[in-house]
Amino acid sequence: DTGVSQDPRHKITKRGQNVTFRCDPISEHNRLYWYRQTLGQGPEFLTYFQNEAQLEKSRLLSDRFSAERPKGSFSTLEIQRTEQGDSAMYLCASSLAGSPYNEQFFGPGTRLTVL
Amino acid sequence: QKEVEQNSGPLSVPEGAIASLNCTYSDRVSQSFFWYRQYSGKSPELIMSIYSNGDKEDGRFTAQLNKASQYVSLLIRDSQPSDSATYLCAVNTNAGKSTFGDGTTLTVKP
Repeated sequence: DTGVSQDPRHKITKRGQNVTFRCDPISEHNRLYWYRQTLGQGPEFLTYFQNEAQLEKSRLLSDRFSAERPKGSFSTLEIQRTEQGDSAMYLCASSLAGSPYNEQFFGPGTRLTVL
Repeated sequence: QKEVEQNSGPLSVPEGAIASLNCTYSDRVSQSFFWYRQYSGKSPELIMSIYSNGDKEDGRFTAQLNKASQYVSLLIRDSQPSDSATYLCAVNTNAGKSTFGDGTTLTVKP
C-alpha cells in the first residue's frame, strides 16, 4: 500500500506530557500537510512543507506545537506540555506540487486523548 | 462568516434518490475545489475535484462549480446506504493549504 501512513493511530497521554506523531506521505509527493480535527468540525490547517521547507504555519498554532520534515520525506509533529484542549484527531495529508488540482490525500490520522 | 460554509444537516434521503450537497466560499482567488467523504471515526477520503466552472461527473457523483456565485455542489445519484457519511467541502488557492467546511451529514435510508 503506497498511501499516507501515520503512527501511532491512537495516543492517550496525561496533561503536561510531550507527544510526537509521525507521518509518511505518498512516496512521490513533495508536499506534506498537518491538520487537526475535532468532533463536528472540519479539518483545521496547522502547517505544511514543500520538501524539507516549512512554508506556512497557522497563526492560531501555539508555540507548544512544532513540526519537522528534515529530509523531505517523513514528518513529525510534536506537542509539548499537552493540554486537554489538544485532544483531537491529527491528520496528515500529502500532495504533488504543480499538479493541476493540488489534490491532498489523507492518512488514517492519530487520535490524541489528553487526560 | 466562515470561509467555507456548508449546511450541517443532517440531510436524509431515501435509497435510490438524488442527494444534493451545497457549499459556498468567500475567497474569490480560490482555484481548486474538493469534496471529501468521511465515515465516522475515519479520515477524509477524496471523492471529487473540480476547478473549472460547470459540471464534472464521475460515476454516481457530479460536482458543480459556479465561481461567479462562489458556489460548489455535489450531487449523488442513486443514493445507497453506504453513502451515509459526512461530506466535507474544501477550497484551495493553490498556494498550499486547503480550507474546509464543517461538513454535511448525509443519511440514506433503505
